[in-house]
This record gives sequence, structure tokens and C-alpha cells, in this order.
Amino acid sequence: DGGITQSPKYLFRKEGQNVTLSCEQNLNHDAMYWYRQDPGQGLRLIYYSQIVNDFQKGDIAEGYSVSREKKESFPLTVTSAQKNPTAFYLCASSSRRSGRLGNTDTQYFGPGTRLTVL
Amino acid sequence: GENVEQHPSTLSVQEGDSAVIKCTYSDSASNYFPWYKQELGKRPQLIIDIRSNVGEKKDQRIAVTLNKTAKHFSLHITETQPEDSAVYFCAASIGNFNKFYFGSGTKLNVKP
Repeated sequence: DGGITQSPKYLFRKEGQNVTLSCEQNLNHDAMYWYRQDPGQGLRLIYYSQIVNDFQKGDIAEGYSVSREKKESFPLTVTSAQKNPTAFYLCASSSRRSGRLGNTDTQYFGPGTRLTVL
Repeated sequence: GENVEQHPSTLSVQEGDSAVIKCTYSDSASNYFPWYKQELGKRPQLIIDIRSNVGEKKDQRIAVTLNKTAKHFSLHITETQPEDSAVYFCAASIGNFNKFYFGSGTKLNVKP
């Protein structure tokens, strides 16, 4: 877990403003993920990336964008199109482990960014 | 897609008692089932996981069981301690697609 960092820890956004959340990992993991967690609820997948320069939408991608230009970095931009962005945002990464059952990966999480809309 | 349901949503036990949290999944292709513990305001931490080629796995006071036929898996915590108090999440993954599907979480309260 210590190899995944997120910044900032707290972020405040004004109406109509885009903000970018940082996620960096030095674990040499191929895959990276962004989740949103609302109070008292589970984790919902926003975007994920299995390899550099490639990413896929998760279940709640609307109003968010990502890039994966480097293996170590997977920034998330919360755009003004996201009408209710106040939440706890968690980044995760995983290594591909090949086995008889296929590639099943363990995900490790960063410390999170708490985003609040003013 | 996969649907993971988790029960109960809250669980209160006396210190020293056992706690059991259950999850069901819908896609028989799921083959990896991790459990995470999340303390208030912190990141989820992996506590144990199980793959579909085994039925049970144990790590000290924590164990996980998997029933592939019924498509459910459970977390068992024995001799609970106050520091076990947290929210626990189960998840299921179909592996090759790298997507995790999380349950809604169980808030465990261990009373001293």
C-alpha cells in the first residue's frame, strides 16, 4: 500500500470548475483504477486502465476523464459535467498474476482524496 | 454484469465472540474473491482472499469460505477484538477483465 500515493488529501471545488486528482504508484503495477465512495456506501468503479495509453470506462464514468501516459501515473479529472462530485476518491493498482485460473489480480489502494464542492 | 450482495449491513458483537459476513455473487465466471477492511477515513486494506480452486482459507483469526455451487462466500472472524471494528467489503472478480465488483459493506462493531 505504501507504494501508491494520492494527492491532495483534501480538495475543494467551486461550481463549474474542473479539478484533477493525482495517483502515482512505484510498484511497477500494470493496471490502475479509480473508485468513488459515498458515505456509508461501497466502491463504484469510475475508470480503469490495464496498460499505458489505454483505459476503459467503469460503471459511473460520466463527468470524469482520465489519462494514462505513464505506467506510474493515472490522474483523474472531475469535470464541471459531474453534478454531484462530493465524495471520497480512491485509486488502486494491481499486478497481473498469471496462473492456471487465468489472470486474477489483487488490488491495493491509495490513501484517498476527499473532494468537496463549495 | 456481475452483482455482489453483502449481508448484514451492520453487525454488533461482544468482544471474544465470532463474526460472520456473507456475500453472494451472480456470475459463475468469477474466480477471485478478496475481502477488505476499511477504517474510518482510511483506505481499504486487503485482509484475506480466496481463489475458486479452493473452498476455504485461513489466516490466524480470519477465515474465508467459498461455495461455488451456491455462488456465495463468507468471512469469519473469531475471538473478535475492539480493533476489528471497521467496515468490511467483499468483492468478486472475473480475473481477465480486471474489474472488481464490490459489495455494499458491513459495519462491524466489537463491543469491549
